[in-house]
Amino acid sequence: EVQLLESGGGLVQPGGSLRLSCAASGFTFSSYAMSWVRQAPGKGLEWVSAISGSGGTTYGNTYYADSVKGRFTISRDNSKNTLDLQMNSLRAEDTAVYYCAKFVAVAGTWLYFDSWGQGTLVTVSS
Amino acid sequence: DIVMTQSPATLSVSPGERATLSCRTSQSVSSDLAWYQQKPGQAPRLLMYGASTRATGIPARFSGGGSGTEFTLTISSLQSEDFAVYYCQQHNKWPRTFGQGTKVEIK
Repeated sequence: EVQLLESGGGLVQPGGSLRLSCAASGFTFSSYAMSWVRQAPGKGLEWVSAISGSGGTTYGNTYYADSVKGRFTISRDNSKNTLDLQMNSLRAEDTAVYYCAKFVAVAGTWLYFDSWGQGTLVTVSS
Repeated sequence: DIVMTQSPATLSVSPGERATLSCRTSQSVSSDLAWYQQKPGQAPRLLMYGASTRATGIPARFSGGGSGTEFTLTISSLQSEDFAVYYCQQHNKWPRTFGQGTKVEIK
């Protein structure tokens, strides 16, 4: 059974930093692209970032939404089956539940999400 | 970015009745569309992908259709566990984008 468990959320001041982690189990982690998706309180879903199974940080291995580009960095450690999201220069509009999600890929194209964690809440406020 | 527009925002339906949800995209996504169900306090759950293929374990009362820019999710006979928020997501172009959701509530 696929399990994704996020951690690292909390209250942070505007301009501050936070690092989220997602511990994965129940599947061959290195074989799957992974993603972070967020949901502001009472709002819809917003894709944030994605990373290939190999975990390279160059373009084509990582993708970012324009709203977080240059502030957030996605990474993974396949030896530990963990996915991370380093969030810097946080803003009030980054307040959301952050979900770790596993991509389904076909012919190397990352498509949709077949497994989700329960999420971790990030609150950016002074 | 591809803009996803779902309608209606809220759908009031009696148990046992049929519900039809709509998702429109700002440009063609072929059949590259997924649907998710989210209940309060829970993570989203994958229902459909490729516009019309049910995910593992999803009951046959859920069906999806459409292509190009117009898509529908139909629940043939609503059960109590189906009252939730439903999101569409295109998987044709980056960035992957979601609709704003349709809440299916008990009438």
